[in-house]
Amino acid sequence: NAGVTQTPKFQVLKTGQSMTLQCAQDMNHEYMSWYRQDPGMGLRLIHYSVGAGITDQGEVPNGYNVSRSTTEDFPLRLLSAAPSQTSVYFCASSTGTGSRAFFGQGTRLTVV
Amino acid sequence: ELKVEQNPLFLSMQEGKNYTIYCNYSTTSDRLYWYRQDPGKSLESLFVLLSNGAVKQEGRLMASLDTKARLSTLHITAAVHDLSATYFCAVNPLTGNQFYFGTGTSLTVIP
Repeated sequence: NAGVTQTPKFQVLKTGQSMTLQCAQDMNHEYMSWYRQDPGMGLRLIHYSVGAGITDQGEVPNGYNVSRSTTEDFPLRLLSAAPSQTSVYFCASSTGTGSRAFFGQGTRLTVV
Repeated sequence: ELKVEQNPLFLSMQEGKNYTIYCNYSTTSDRLYWYRQDPGKSLESLFVLLSNGAVKQEGRLMASLDTKARLSTLHITAAVHDLSATYFCAVNPLTGNQFYFGTGTSLTVIP
């Protein structure tokens, strides 16, 4: 089973460039979310979605956009990359109340 | 905003010893999760705790939840090197299914 698939695994961007991190899940999960992981700060929620067409902001949404046109896909867009967005990004999905989240393998992003 | 605190942040322990990691959270919730992360890897689910007094055990790890104290513990019994990893707790808010994570506890088990 593929589970949660993130692409790319590594990316280097120049300041001001835009890009999209892809996330796809094949488990028919309603809930999907994006996190960034920085040293000493755990995982912080960027945006999340409770189903196709429905998204909401998390703890650190500034500089990021999301959309959810299908149950399977939840892309994260960086509008104008900044060095402060250098981080490891994780996508996760879950079925609903009281269910554990399944995580993708992560995308390591460096903004220079 | 839901805050989740873990302590200690770093833990170095000898093989064979016992220790407890603590996870405190700031608002009412009865859904608490523990994850493990190996260096450079993704997060792996360890435990799901869904009620006050819930206790789950897997091998040398045991997790418990006290919703009244807003506290979860992850107890390590007779540590072995393979348990070296970073451990995260996470909480769902009372309404909603997004996860709020603690800062993590980096565990190193020394032979």
